[in-house]
This record gives sequence, C-alpha cells and structure tokens, in this order.
Amino acid sequence: DVKVTQSSRYLVKRTGEKVFLECVQDMDHENMFWYRQDPGLGLRLIYFSYDVKMKEKGDIPEGYSVSREKKERFSLILESASTNQTSMYLCASSSTRLSTDTQYFGPGTRLTVL
Amino acid sequence: QKEVEQNSGPLSVPEGAIASLNCTYSDRGSQSFFWYRQYSGKSPELIMSIYSNGDKEDGRFTAQLNKASQYVSLLIRDSQPSDSATYLCAVNIHQTGANNLFFGTGTRLTVIP
Repeated sequence: DVKVTQSSRYLVKRTGEKVFLECVQDMDHENMFWYRQDPGLGLRLIYFSYDVKMKEKGDIPEGYSVSREKKERFSLILESASTNQTSMYLCASSSTRLSTDTQYFGPGTRLTVL
Repeated sequence: QKEVEQNSGPLSVPEGAIASLNCTYSDRGSQSFFWYRQYSGKSPELIMSIYSNGDKEDGRFTAQLNKASQYVSLLIRDSQPSDSATYLCAVNIHQTGANNLFFGTGTRLTVIP
C-alpha cells in the first residue's frame, strides 16, 4: 500500500511565524505535490516536484516555498504566515510522469493562522 | 484555460437508488480522468480512473467518458449511507515536467437511509 504521511494533523500558528509542513512517501514516487483545499474553491496546486531538488510553481505559489532534498520528502514552507493561509494542506505523490498515474494523498494538515 | 466543473450539490438520493455525478472539462488534450471520494475531514481517496471513451465498471461504481463532449460521469448503483461524501472529479493536464491533475470543486452526495 502506498503511504503518504504528513507531520501534523492540526497546527495553530501566529501571523508572521515561519511554518514548515512536512510530507513523506514510502513508495519511491518521483512526483510530489502540495495542495490547499478551501470551501467552494476545491483543491488548488501550490507547488510540485518531479525530481529531487526540482520544484515547479503550481497555480497559487505566492507566499509559499518548497524544498525537496530527498526523494521521499517534500516540505512546504510558509515564510511569514498570514491569516489568509488558514486552510487544509494536502500532500500527494505519484509514481511517474505518465498521464495515467494516480495521485495518492496524505491525511492533510489543518493549519490555522491567528 | 484549465477548468473542471462539477455541480456542487448537495445531491440527495434514497438508499438503494442510483446516484449520478457529472463533470465537464475544458482542456481537449486531457487524457486521464479520475474520481476521488472525500469524507468530511479526511483526504481524497481514488475510487475510479478512466482513460478511454465508454464505460468502466468496478463493483457498484461505473465511470463514463465522452471525450467529444468533454464529459465524464460517475454512477453509483445501490447507493449506501456509507457513500455519503464529496466526490471530486480530476482531469490530467500537462505542465512542465509532469502530468498534473486539475480538480473540480466536488459534488456533495447524501444517501438517505
């Protein structure tokens, strides 16, 4: 079974704090993704990575950065958290770059920024 | 422009009925289509994928694809209360270095016992 884990299920931070969200997959997948999910807006892609040390912007990268130093780990960084970054953050991974590949999701981190 | 549209619902069906969930997409180059189920407070889980025109059946679930009409649907037969969830339609798009998925906003399904 594919397993994608995220470091926290719930996180509360204050405005201006630096926030790290960690994601680890154990299936040697090439691709990893970070999404945020908000009511009425669905899943929106923040950043993705298709190889170690590679990163590409998704649809809403502003205010975020990412790091992929090892194949199994993909980190999302909020340099200076703001209240509009309160959201559910979902990490996903997929095996290759084929269009048929399924994305497998982690359990999500619900981040609240006060 | 990348768009995946779903009726947000809520869609309510009685237990044992057929639930029909619909999705349209704008990118004619899309080749792969996925249905995910998401229970409240949980992450999405894949229930069906379809790549060719026509129907694909898996147990009580049937995915239907019509690329000419840019339309994909999910039928759930003999609906159960445990099927109550939000169903997300996802369509592949090709971006730099990877085939990514673009998600609809989801249809909330309630199965009434």
